[in-house]
Amino acid sequence: GENVEQHPSTLSVQEGDSAVIKCTYSDSASNYFPWYKQELGKGPQLIIDIRSNVGEKKDQRIAVTLNKTAKHFSLHITETQPEDSAVYFCAASNGQAGTALIFGKGTTLSVSS
Amino acid sequence: GAVVSQHPSWVICKSGTSVKIECRSLDFQATTMFWYRQFPKQSLMLMATSNEGSKATYEQGVEKDKFLINHASLTLSTLTVTSAHPEDSSFYICSARAGQGGYEQYFGPGTRLTVT
Repeated sequence: GENVEQHPSTLSVQEGDSAVIKCTYSDSASNYFPWYKQELGKGPQLIIDIRSNVGEKKDQRIAVTLNKTAKHFSLHITETQPEDSAVYFCAASNGQAGTALIFGKGTTLSVSS
Repeated sequence: GAVVSQHPSWVICKSGTSVKIECRSLDFQATTMFWYRQFPKQSLMLMATSNEGSKATYEQGVEKDKFLINHASLTLSTLTVTSAHPEDSSFYICSARAGQGGYEQYFGPGTRLTVT
């Protein structure tokens, strides 16, 4: 089955700096890679996703890159703000109907002002 | 994005009682919903996949007779924790895929269950 590794487990940055979180996956059949942001006591919120037919996707300060050959994908947050502080999870799936997402263990991002 | 709601948001129950948690997709139909469990400072652990009109598929190690799942319509799935014990205390989260062919999965706000 699919296995998703996520690094680092914690990340502290200064406001305005960039933050990068990396994930690797094991199943070459995986073709959908979303990123979720979870604030304390809340459900995960989908912030960006990428499919295997593209290498990069950007949405304002957030971008995701995918390297299918190396089986890894990364989340990039630029110009970080204190409200970016949260736990971020990467996930992977093969996109088939009824297939659940496999999550990484999460990264706790702290942005200090 | 699509909206998924859960009810209740938190519940406290006594050992031996049963608790039902509802998961609703508010603005889309969801053939498949998923139930996750999350312990503090840990990742989401998939418990079961809920398919509308059929039996749920449980992950290894999850007791299907303890965690009853019913997906009676395209917008509602329920999780019933039967004969609850303190070790069942956790954060339960559901998610739903937005329509056929849609890849995106949207999560509910979660339900905090405390068993005393």
